[in-house]
Amino acid sequence: QVQLVESGGGVVQPGKSLRLSCAASGFSFSAYEMHWVRQAPGKGLEWVALLSYDGNNEYYADSVRGRFTVSRDNSKSTLYLQMNSLRPEDTGLYYCARGRDAYYKYCDYWGQGTQVIVSA
Amino acid sequence: DIQMTQSPSSLSASVGDRVTITCRASQSINDYLNWYHQKPGKAPKFLIYAASTLQTGVPSRLSGSGSGTDFTLTISNLQPEDFGTYYCQQSFSAPYTFGQGTKLEI
Repeated sequence: QVQLVESGGGVVQPGKSLRLSCAASGFSFSAYEMHWVRQAPGKGLEWVALLSYDGNNEYYADSVRGRFTVSRDNSKSTLYLQMNSLRPEDTGLYYCARGRDAYYKYCDYWGQGTQVIVSA
Repeated sequence: DIQMTQSPSSLSASVGDRVTITCRASQSINDYLNWYHQKPGKAPKFLIYAASTLQTGVPSRLSGSGSGTDFTLTISNLQPEDFGTYYCQQSFSAPYTFGQGTKLEI
């Protein structure tokens, strides 16, 4: 069965960096696009980033472009999110999700999320 | 960027009712519209893509419609497990924005 397990969250000071990981299993990871989606406490979903199956194409939300970088290691079936210059508004639960369909790009499976808190 | 606006922001309904949630895009997105359902403390669950195609296993009392800028999610014969928050998302162009959510209380 498809499993996505995020890790790497924690408490970090503003301006610092953090790298999230998402370990995938139960499917052919290298064949799928992967998304990051976050949710601030008590708020709605915010799409963060998308990475193509081969890692060659990246897309970002305006709020994180230039600060966050998404990458993947297909040999390890792992997705990453490198977050630099963190701000308090980056606080939230970060989900990785499998992208399905090259056209409709919906997220059919989600992990349980990893918590990021940016605070002095 | 494409803005997605859902209405209402919240609604209350009874078991057996029929409810409709609306999602409007700031520009035409053809049928590149997805729907998700999230219960408190849980990850979102994918429901519908291409505005009206149900994911395998999603009950047929849920249905989606629309194209262009206006979309609806309809839930017939409301069940207790339907409570939670529903989100639309456009996948027409990056960034793939979500609506702000509609909280459904049973």
